[in-house]
Amino acid sequence: GQNIDQPTEMTATEGAIVQINCTYQTSGFNGLFWYQQHAGEAPTFLSYNVLDGLEEKGRFSSFLSRSKGYSYLLLKELQMKDSASYLCAFLDSNYQLIWGAGTKLIIKP
Amino acid sequence: GAVVSQHPSRVICKSGTSVKIECRSLDFQATTMFWYRQFPKQSLMLMATSNEGSKATYEQGVEKDKFLINHASLTLSTLTVTSAHPEDSSFYICSADRTGRDSYEQYFGPGTRLTVT
Repeated sequence: GQNIDQPTEMTATEGAIVQINCTYQTSGFNGLFWYQQHAGEAPTFLSYNVLDGLEEKGRFSSFLSRSKGYSYLLLKELQMKDSASYLCAFLDSNYQLIWGAGTKLIIKP
Repeated sequence: GAVVSQHPSRVICKSGTSVKIECRSLDFQATTMFWYRQFPKQSLMLMATSNEGSKATYEQGVEKDKFLINHASLTLSTLTVTSAHPEDSSFYICSADRTGRDSYEQYFGPGTRLTVT
């Protein structure tokens, strides 16, 4: 079967670093996405990892370990505007996106 | 590039009426468009996948006669909620898969908030 799991909610302090984990199980895998979604808005693309390792893009980095079925999104120098839900999703063998439930990130001053 | 628009952004309708939501890829061609529904504090739920010129593929539990999808061109897909009821009130989001690209990134429209009274 397929499943994907991420924490429901996390809290962090402005200026700090936070890591949002995502674990998944699937027989076929064609990459993992991270999206950011602010309340009442559509998701926006953050990253796509298909190979193992860390990909850095400004304050945001995404890591993938295919053997462990594990990914994380790392947010540095947190800003209040980073308060949002972060969705991970993987592409299965049919190239269909399987979505996690999202992690609500709360940033405190 | 890769902008997707949705219209309307918000709609309020009476129970029993039908509502049409348009999804357009403005600067690229989309072979495949996806329709999602999102209830408050929940993740995206894929309703259906539509390919240009063919019938949409609906997810289990989604009534195809209630949620009519038409993908008439490479830049336009429409979702019609027929005989809407209050439980259909939700945030409907479309996304598009850019033709010819291998990244499989989905470009999302801004969403349509439907309220059925």
